[in-house]
Amino acid sequence: GAGVSQSPSNKVTEKGKDVELRCDPISGHTALYWYRQRLGQGLEFLIYFQGNSAPDKSGLPSDRFSAERTGESVSTLTIQRTQQEDSAVYLCASTSRDTKETQYFGPGTRLLVL
Amino acid sequence: GENVEQHPSTLSVQEGDSAVIKCTYSDSASNYFPWYKQELGKRPQLIIDIRSNVGEKKDQRIAVTLNKTAKHFSLHITETQPEDSAVYFCAASNTGTASKLTFGTGTRLQVTL
Repeated sequence: GAGVSQSPSNKVTEKGKDVELRCDPISGHTALYWYRQRLGQGLEFLIYFQGNSAPDKSGLPSDRFSAERTGESVSTLTIQRTQQEDSAVYLCASTSRDTKETQYFGPGTRLLVL
Repeated sequence: GENVEQHPSTLSVQEGDSAVIKCTYSDSASNYFPWYKQELGKRPQLIIDIRSNVGEKKDQRIAVTLNKTAKHFSLHITETQPEDSAVYFCAASNTGTASKLTFGTGTRLQVTL
């Protein structure tokens, strides 16, 4: 079936504006993760959703960052009042109940804050 | 929380030679250790993983070893080819509490002709 998809693929915004990033996980995948990857660096965990449980928000860098997920479907990551240091690729991944550790990544959204 | 360190940050080998990337982790409760390959501008993709109940796993030219006592694990690529050039990330998680992965900082592998 289709893999994890993300939109938009690229986003350029001005400092201070809000942005919303979307992730469509693989159908039937119960868990969904958001990561941030700054240029030339590793993947930084942001937030984790598992079914209807309370999300693990321990990686969110500030209260400007928030994410939502309805059930086991689409998730949106919102960054309010964007700053230049928010510029990065935002990656989404999902896992299934059967192979729960294997994370399948989306192509990412490249965010540039001017 | 978990902390994963990865070395080296860059690695250049000649085609046909072997490449070794090493990672250490801090949380003794971690029990799952995947390796991801990320080509330039592409998404990370799982290439091999190992669980804490085994010490070594091999898949063709790729092998991973795990030393639980020392809390380190390594990726070995033999007979390297130009298409192996990419950034490789190790990661660790405790699947008993959550599947949240903590990633290393990555190794940029360059295979030269």
